Parts: sequence; structure tokens; C-alpha cells
Amino acid sequence: QKEVEQNSGPLSVPEGAIASLNCTYSDRGSQSFFWYRQYSGKSPELIMFIYSNGDKEDGRFTAQLNKASQYVSLLIRDSQPSDSATYLCAAYGNNRLAFGKGNQVVVIP
Amino acid sequence: DTEVTQTPKHLVMGMTNKKSLKCEQHMGHRAMYWYKQKAKKPPELMFVYSYEKLSINESVPSRFSPECPNSSLLNLHLHALQPEDSALYLCASSQLRPAPRAYNSPLHFGNGTRLTVT
Repeated sequence: QKEVEQNSGPLSVPEGAIASLNCTYSDRGSQSFFWYRQYSGKSPELIMFIYSNGDKEDGRFTAQLNKASQYVSLLIRDSQPSDSATYLCAAYGNNRLAFGKGNQVVVIP
Repeated sequence: DTEVTQTPKHLVMGMTNKKSLKCEQHMGHRAMYWYKQKAKKPPELMFVYSYEKLSINESVPSRFSPECPNSSLLNLHLHALQPEDSALYLCASSQLRPAPRAYNSPLHFGNGTRLTVT
């Protein structure tokens, strides 16, 4: 079992809609979770981090953490074409940051 | 613009060459990282330095040699690379907090060095 799993395929959403991304992790000892956005050919850019169960909102982004279910999600409200990118979920486990394989989001104007 | 600076942005080298990648940060972070990323794959951890000492080596081949001269600088020395080593090499830094939360701070990535081995 991979440490961090993002199983959804490419996600296409109309401009203005909500994009929903999901992630599960295997290490119950993980305490910190991150969402990075990566444009093609560029480096990952931190957009959200969450440490506690529940929701955390920052602008159009909301991260949700459920430690009992080992589940992290990211909602992007009012999606814009500039949100088109790959979103990487990451979690600390075994003293290192593990990344999921990423989910590509395409926002259609 | 990122606060972690990597040079060069692009590097083409032959299999017999010796080259170095450089990374610099001035955020006062005491953890620095090298990651390798192939196309359409997530970043893969190579090395971690904490307080200028190598703390994690993810079984990286010896043709990659990291160096941390001081708390702001991180180098990756390359020698006798193979074409399959072509990738985007990412440097990152983070704060360090006392254990057990030592590695819980967000990583801040540089723009990367696009390496091509011919």
C-alpha cells in the first residue's frame, strides 16, 4: 500500500464550479498534511496545510482532514482557468514527506 | 518568485562530466532537501539535511553526492550520470521543530534544475 494515494483520474470542471480532490494516507501517525499545486514544467507550490481534524479555509480553497478515516480533501470554489494544474497531496510519515501521484485538474472556460 | 533559489535552471551534461547543482535559502530554515521528479510523477525524496547534517539518504546512487556547506546552502554534485537520471531536480527547505514534530513544517520548493544527461 502506498503511503499517500490519489486515485482519481484527470478532473474537468467548468469555470465557476467546485473542484473536489481526495487523498488517503496509510500512516496513522501522520500529523501534517499538505496540498501543493504544480503547473506543467514548474515546481510544486504550497497552497494549503492542515494539522487538525475538520475544515480549514483560505480564500477559494478549503482543506478537510478526517484522521479517523485517514482522509484529506481539497475543495476549490469558483474554479478559474488559472487553477488548471496538477494537485499533489502530501503527508508526513516515517519522518519524511510522502507525495501522492497527483491529480490533474482542467478548468474549462 | 520563490524564496529558495536554484541554479542553474537548465543543465545538459554528458555521462563523463562532473557538474554541481546549487540551492540557496535565506528564510532561516534548518532543514533542506533534494528531490528528483520525472515527468508526470510525484517528487521523490533523495536527501534530507537537518542542522547541516545528512539525516536521510533514500538509497541514492553514489554518483549523486550532496553537500551542505552552511545553513543557507545546499549542493548536489553529479558525476558519471546515466541518461535515466534526466529529470527535474528540486531543492526545498523547511523549518525544524523539536521532536516529535521535527518534520511537520511545510516544504518550500525552489524552481528546480532541469537536467538532461546525454
